[in-house]
This record gives sequence, C-alpha cells and structure tokens, in this order.
Amino acid sequence: ILNVEQSPQSLHVQEGDSTNFTCSFPSSNFYALHWYRWETAKSPEALFVMTLNGDEKKKGRISATLNTKEGYSYLYIKGSQPEDSATYLCASPGGNTPLVFGKGTRLSVIA
Amino acid sequence: DAGVIQSPRHEVTEMGQEVTLRCKPISGHNSLFWYRQTMMRGLELLIYFNNNVPIDDSGMPEDRFSAKMPNASFSTLKIQPSEPRDSAVYFCASRVREQPQHFGDGTRLSIL
Repeated sequence: ILNVEQSPQSLHVQEGDSTNFTCSFPSSNFYALHWYRWETAKSPEALFVMTLNGDEKKKGRISATLNTKEGYSYLYIKGSQPEDSATYLCASPGGNTPLVFGKGTRLSVIA
Repeated sequence: DAGVIQSPRHEVTEMGQEVTLRCKPISGHNSLFWYRQTMMRGLELLIYFNNNVPIDDSGMPEDRFSAKMPNASFSTLKIQPSEPRDSAVYFCASRVREQPQHFGDGTRLSIL
C-alpha cells in the first residue's frame, strides 16, 4: 500500500518568516508528485504537479523541489503571510492510478 | 470553466434515510474520484472511475454505500440507509492523466 507521509503535522510561524515542510513517498514506480493548498471550509486547490527528479517549481512566494531517487519533496514559503494559513497536502502517484494523499501540514501564520 | 460541481452543498437528514450526493466533473476529464474527509484519516478515497467505469471501490466503507457514473458528465454517491457516523464532508474530484486534480466544493453531510 502506497504511503505518503508529511511532516510536521502542524506549524506556527510569525508573519514574515520563511518556512518549509516535507513530503515523503515511495521512490519505486514514481509517476508524479502533487502539492495542494487547502483552506478551511474550502476545497483543495492544486499548487504544483512535479514529475522529474530535480524539478523545482515556483508560484509567487511558494516553491517546491523534488527528489524522486530518495522519495521526498520540500515545499517552501518565503516571507509567510497570514493568508498563507492553510493545510498543505502532497499526493502521489497519479497517472491512471488514484492519488494517495498525505495527512497534510497545517500552517498557521501569526500576524 | 465551471470547475467540478457538487450538489447539494449541505445535507441534513435523519438516520435511516437515503442520501444521494451528485457530481458533475470538468468536461474532458476522464477520471472521477469520490473522497470523504475525516479527522482520523484525512482525505479518504472511496471509489474512482476511469472513463465512466468503476475501477476500485475498496475504499467504500460498507454495502450501504454505492456510486454510479452513468455518463461522462455525471456521478452519484448514494448512502442507504444513512447512519450518524456517515456525517462528514464528501468531495468529488476529476482529473486528466498528467494534470492536477480538481476538487468540487464538497457536500457537508449531517445525519441526525
């Protein structure tokens, strides 16, 4: 059974601080790694889909890296803002098989 | 693009009643997924369809749960009879192979 793990489970940072969290996944039979942002009372929203080892993607202050050989991805947020407060989910593998989601990292940015 | 559309947004009903949740995927997406959000398990996959065909329903908790996808633009998730422990937020999502998965706004189900 595919196991996608995320850490930490929750995180509190001050406004302006940069932060990062981790997603680990099985490196065998890798297809893709997805990152989603999930705000309370809303639905998950796609941030990135990453497929190649060494991939780095960026969207504003948020970026992600991928290491498929060792089975991990990092999500970075530079200069956190209160509106970044959300749960960040990663998921694998995709393709014709369903995504298996981690339990997420709940980020709270304190003004 | 209207996104994935789910209805109803909220449903409150008494235990024992039949509940039907509906989903319209994004046009052109060939995979559809039903999830349940729980505190213990996070986003729990219930069932998914590829090209309208159910592929894996091993996540469906009990025989009281059933799902259909009669055509590429519509799917239902039915619970009969409903129980209080079925109370949760149910999400539908759709995707094309290499693309991000798009989620509906969810149905918040409360069984009294």
